[in-house]
Amino acid sequence: NAGVTQTPKFQVLKTGQSMTLQCAQDMNHEYMSWYRQDPGMGLRLIHYSVGAGITDQGEVPNGYNVSRSTTEDFPLRLLSAAPSQTSVYFCASSYFGTGVYNEQFFGPGTRLTVL
Amino acid sequence: AQKITQTQPGMFVQEKEAVTLDCTYDTSDPSYGLFWYKQPSSGEMIFLIYQGSYDQQNATEGRYSLNFQKARKSANLVISASQLGDSAMYFCAMRDPSGGSNYKLTFGKGTLLTVNP
Repeated sequence: NAGVTQTPKFQVLKTGQSMTLQCAQDMNHEYMSWYRQDPGMGLRLIHYSVGAGITDQGEVPNGYNVSRSTTEDFPLRLLSAAPSQTSVYFCASSYFGTGVYNEQFFGPGTRLTVL
Repeated sequence: AQKITQTQPGMFVQEKEAVTLDCTYDTSDPSYGLFWYKQPSSGEMIFLIYQGSYDQQNATEGRYSLNFQKARKSANLVISASQLGDSAMYFCAMRDPSGGSNYKLTFGKGTLLTVNP
């Protein structure tokens, strides 16, 4: 199993450009999510999905779009990049479950710089 | 109010000594899960240990143990016999059903641990 994969690893954008961060998992996890990590802020949830066709907003959704057409893929789109979106982005996935124990498996991260 | 509070931005420990990283949480739900993750300088997030709110005993995983004090709403991570490779950022996180989902994970701001030789 490859686990959770993210591409690209690094990206530099100019203000106003758009791009898509890719995330894929091969563990058949229903739940997928995107976080951003900024110094001193921990990880903050951007968007999440509990299955194909179902997405919802997290704590910091503005400026980002997501869709979930398959169980495996959960891309994150920046429509018009801003310097405030300079961050490290993590994708994570986990099983559904009846309890709260569902370890989230994280991808390696994408370091994005917006100039 | 913050759901997860880590009050120690940075900690130093001597190699082979034990260290405790603090974490307090806030939830009104009786069912929740607490997680600790390690993030070394390479950047990946590594799952360390989990504690469920109904677990009777404190969780342990090798040199990691969780000092779970439910009444005080604290879930401190104890690392015994520190090693140089333990130098990393450590995040406490909680999963609870608030907001209608069992699956959202809320993170603290992290504690940067430095192990000195």
